[in-house]
Formats: sequence, structure tokens, C-alpha cells
Amino acid sequence: EAQVTQNPRYLITVTGKKLTVTCSQNMNHEYMSWYRQDPGLGLRQIYYSMNVEVTDKGDVPEGYKVSRKEKRNFPLILESPSPNQTSLYFCASSPMTSGTSSWGNEQYFGPGTRLTVT
Amino acid sequence: TQLLEQSPQFLSIQEGENLTVYCNSSSVFSSLQWYRQEPGEGPVLLVTVVTGGEVKKLKRLTFQFGDARKDSSLHITAAQPGDTGLYLCAGPGGGYQKVTFGTGTKLQVIP
Repeated sequence: EAQVTQNPRYLITVTGKKLTVTCSQNMNHEYMSWYRQDPGLGLRQIYYSMNVEVTDKGDVPEGYKVSRKEKRNFPLILESPSPNQTSLYFCASSPMTSGTSSWGNEQYFGPGTRLTVT
Repeated sequence: TQLLEQSPQFLSIQEGENLTVYCNSSSVFSSLQWYRQEPGEGPVLLVTVVTGGEVKKLKRLTFQFGDARKDSSLHITAAQPGDTGLYLCAGPGGGYQKVTFGTGTKLQVIP
């Protein structure tokens, strides 16, 4: 089954304790992205990646890191989480068109990770 | 960053009613997408509109892209409880590979 998986689904942690949320897709998609979802703000893009070792900032990258060492995996790293990073996080993947663009192609989303930082 | 504003923010209607939700921007978009998100799940793509004035239909859902490509609407005819969810529009986010989502319209259809 084609899917995007995220782990963990729920996480409660304390301020300053490093954490990693994993994301994996089995569709051989080049493009992967992380979003956070907060009430009234919709989805905001944190980071995206167009291929292995190619990553770039979205609209809200502060406090987050990513890496893309393998095509299928795109982990989100919070080096020193703070309470304002409490949110619902989604990973998504999408094929690239003609090797140049992912825009307009369907993004496939994972089930989400609900993170609470106290 | 290009912004997408959606209205209304919340909508609660009776089964069988019609409704329209809007996605507006001050910027021109090359294309727009509409997603639906059900509670506890990630968004799922409904449609992509790419041409100004374009109308696409998906069963009881009608999507329109404005002539100037600055706005889009989603009209649902005879809403059903299964239409309940969060409706999100999305467009290119200012960078070629960036994505901007709208603020969302939360729809509740009461049986």
C-alpha cells in the first residue's frame, strides 16, 4: 500500500529535550515536506526537500532541522523544543514533474504527529 | 510569502443545504488546489485548478478558479454528513517549490 508513515503519532516532552519525528514514504517520491498545523492558521510549511541532500526552508523553519540522506526518509529534528512548538505536525510527499517541479502534483500526507512540549 | 485567506472560517449547516466556501489572495497564482481533511487524518487532495475561469466538478462538489487567478471557490450541493471536515486551499508559496495553504474552512453537516 502506498503511504507516508510518521512516528511517533503522539509525543509529550519537556522543554529542551531533543527529539526526532520520523517520516518515511514508499512511493519513490522526490519531494518531501514538513508542515505544522495550528488552529486558525491552517498548514504552514517548515522545510521541504526536492531530493536526497537537497533541502530548503519553508515559511516557519526556526527551531527545526531536517535531513534527507535517503530518498524515502525525511526526519524532523527539534534540537531544543519549546512550548511554542506544541502543534500537530504533518509530513507529505509528492512526485516531481519532469524533474523540475512538484507544484500541482498531489501531496500525500502522513497521519500526523501531535507534539506537546511542556 | 503569498497569502491565501479562506472564508468562512466555520460553517455549520443542515444536511441537504448548499454552501460555498472561498479562497482569496491579493496575488496571482499559477494554480490552486483544494484538500479535505477529516479529523485525525492528513489532508487529501480533491482537485487542482490551473486555468483562469476553469470549473471542475467532482460529484456534488464544484470548484471554480477566478478569471484573474487570485481566487477560487468550492460549492457543495445538497451537503451530506460525509462532507464534514476541514477544507483547505493551497497554492505555490512564493518559492518555486514552496507551498502555501489557506487558513481553512471547518464544515459541519448536521444530519
